[in-house]
Amino acid sequence: EAQVTQNPRYLITVTGKKLTVTCSQNMNHEYMSWYRQDPGLGLRQIYYSMNVEVTDKGDVPEGYKVSRKEKRNFPLILESPSPNQTSLYFCASSSTGVANEKLFFGSGTQLSVL
Amino acid sequence: GENVEQHPSTLSVQEGDSAVIKCTYSDSASNYFPWYKQELGKRPQLIIDIRSNVGEKKDQRIAVTLNKTAKHFSLHITETQPEDSAVYFCAAGDDYKLSFGAGTTVTVRA
Repeated sequence: EAQVTQNPRYLITVTGKKLTVTCSQNMNHEYMSWYRQDPGLGLRQIYYSMNVEVTDKGDVPEGYKVSRKEKRNFPLILESPSPNQTSLYFCASSSTGVANEKLFFGSGTQLSVL
Repeated sequence: GENVEQHPSTLSVQEGDSAVIKCTYSDSASNYFPWYKQELGKRPQLIIDIRSNVGEKKDQRIAVTLNKTAKHFSLHITETQPEDSAVYFCAAGDDYKLSFGAGTTVTVRA
């Protein structure tokens, strides 16, 4: 089954404790992206990757890191999480980009930073 | 960067009536305008999209219009049904970047 898998589904952590949210897709997609969703703000793009070893900033990259060492994986790293990063995070992928192509979203990761 | 504004933030319609959601964008370089539907607790799902060289697109009860000169686009849902109740997001962008509106919560009253 074609899917984007995010882990964990829920995460509670404390300020400053490094964490990684994993994202994996099994569709051989070149494009992957991370979004955060906050009430009243919609989805905001954090980082995206056009292919292996090619990443770029979205609208809200501060406080986040990403890497794309393999085509299928695109982890999101918070090296020193802060309470303002409490949010619902979605990973998404598509064949080559967002235009004219369906974005496949993961199930989401609800992160709480205390 | 791109700024997408979406109105209204909430919309309540009687079953069978039409629903219209409007969005404006700021970056004239944006050339792709999708609409996503998100049911409670679920992931966003693409329902319809349009490119900047097209003025209107229709898929059964859903249609999208684009006015590139005015930088605004709209979603029209006709003959609304209870299963249309959800949060709808518009977005604007190019091949790799996508900026979303804040969302419209649509409630269809039986």
